[in-house]
Amino acid sequence: GAGVSQSPSNKVTEKGKDVELRCDPISGHTALYWYRQRLGQGLEFLIYFQGNSAPDKSGLPSDRFSAERTGESVSTLTIQRTQQEDSAVYLCASSTYGESGNTIYFGEGSWLTVV
Amino acid sequence: LAKTTQPISMDSYEGQEVNITCSHNNIATNDYITWYQQFPSQGPRFIIQGYKTKVTNEVASLFIPADRKSSTLSLPRVSLSDTAVYYCLVESGGSNYKLTFGKGTLLTVNP
Repeated sequence: GAGVSQSPSNKVTEKGKDVELRCDPISGHTALYWYRQRLGQGLEFLIYFQGNSAPDKSGLPSDRFSAERTGESVSTLTIQRTQQEDSAVYLCASSTYGESGNTIYFGEGSWLTVV
Repeated sequence: LAKTTQPISMDSYEGQEVNITCSHNNIATNDYITWYQQFPSQGPRFIIQGYKTKVTNEVASLFIPADRKSSTLSLPRVSLSDTAVYYCLVESGGSNYKLTFGKGTLLTVNP
């Protein structure tokens, strides 16, 4: 597609339920990122993928969070046993491998509300 | 990763030129400087990127002094619609994919 696509755009879930957030990056982009942004706060780095590999998972807040990427394309961020503090917008971004710096293109985010 | 420091907020008026400075004292030789703009309820979007001296596009200019320890985003003749959070990001290209944003600068443009 023309841009980074995320789904669902909005999700309300009950505490304790699992949620899956999907990201379709720009075609051909080798790098894919997940960020979390709480209301009124900055961007919190969660994880990135280089191809299908995630070299650094240290940004994931807890073991309830996991992510995978397949076919060097679609990525899924899974949050198990959701808690109210997980409420935030989850932003996905992708970029090309370039020598002149990485230009990141963001999706519009998936707004998660845990009630 | 070079840590960045920006003012938390800035106020301006319509029609003024706004300059937002970012400090990155530990910038590495291979690092590039990129600025992003974020409106409420939207993902950040790319504004401008540079390595040294001056870069200009249809939206903004980016000034980088010789020591590259800081950079200044210049927005000419701002309008109300320029009210947003502006992030400075310093990173190298290639395989450095762990991109950490700072807290950004909230620019408020007043009528």
